[in-house]
Amino acid sequence: EIVLTQSPGTLSLSPGERATLSCRASQSVSSYLAWYQQKPGQAPRLLIYGTSSRATGIPDRFSGSGSGTDFTLTISRLEPEDFAVYYCQQSDSSHFGPGTKVHIK
Amino acid sequence: QVQLQQSGPGLVKPSQTLSLTCGISGDSVSSNSAAWNWIRQSPSRGLEWLGRTYYRSKWYNDYGVSVKSRITINPDTSKNQFSLQLNSVTPEDTAVYYCARSTGAGNIGYFHYWGQGALVTVS
Repeated sequence: EIVLTQSPGTLSLSPGERATLSCRASQSVSSYLAWYQQKPGQAPRLLIYGTSSRATGIPDRFSGSGSGTDFTLTISRLEPEDFAVYYCQQSDSSHFGPGTKVHIK
Repeated sequence: QVQLQQSGPGLVKPSQTLSLTCGISGDSVSSNSAAWNWIRQSPSRGLEWLGRTYYRSKWYNDYGVSVKSRITINPDTSKNQFSLQLNSVTPEDTAVYYCARSTGAGNIGYFHYWGQGALVTVS
């Protein structure tokens, strides 16, 4: 079973700052990794799939990179609506990571 | 635009069966390129994929290891929807349940569309 770990657990940042979120897999998942954003009371929303492809309607301040076991989600300049919880997911067995909460400093 | 609309009771007694339905608009449950999934979320277990149904010339189902002995997911082509049944529930099955459409690479794929979610309490 592939286990996903995310770091940090919590990220305190100000609007306009850059956010860098990490997702590490216990074994290689090739490029089969996605990122989701979830706000309170809402379903997760797909942001990035296949490591680096943005889903429909996702602004270009969101970008994904990595391969194998180490992946990164970068938000270049945080907007007020970006403060949320972010999850990674590997698409082969569909395990999700535990999430990183990005909150306003 | 695909939309998924969930329905079902929000309270289930222990040992009984949890039943939820997910109505599909903008796509077909018989699509040859999509799969129809159930995912749940709880503070203790996080996001947990439960299983899926999909059509590729015939119907297939896959189920998550943690619920494999208790779960059934069925398509309903006449109503363009799919359902979840989870038997012998305990309070540990209390969670927000989501239906979702998946496509893409990897065995399970990526969840591009989600239902609105439904809190199901076992008590």
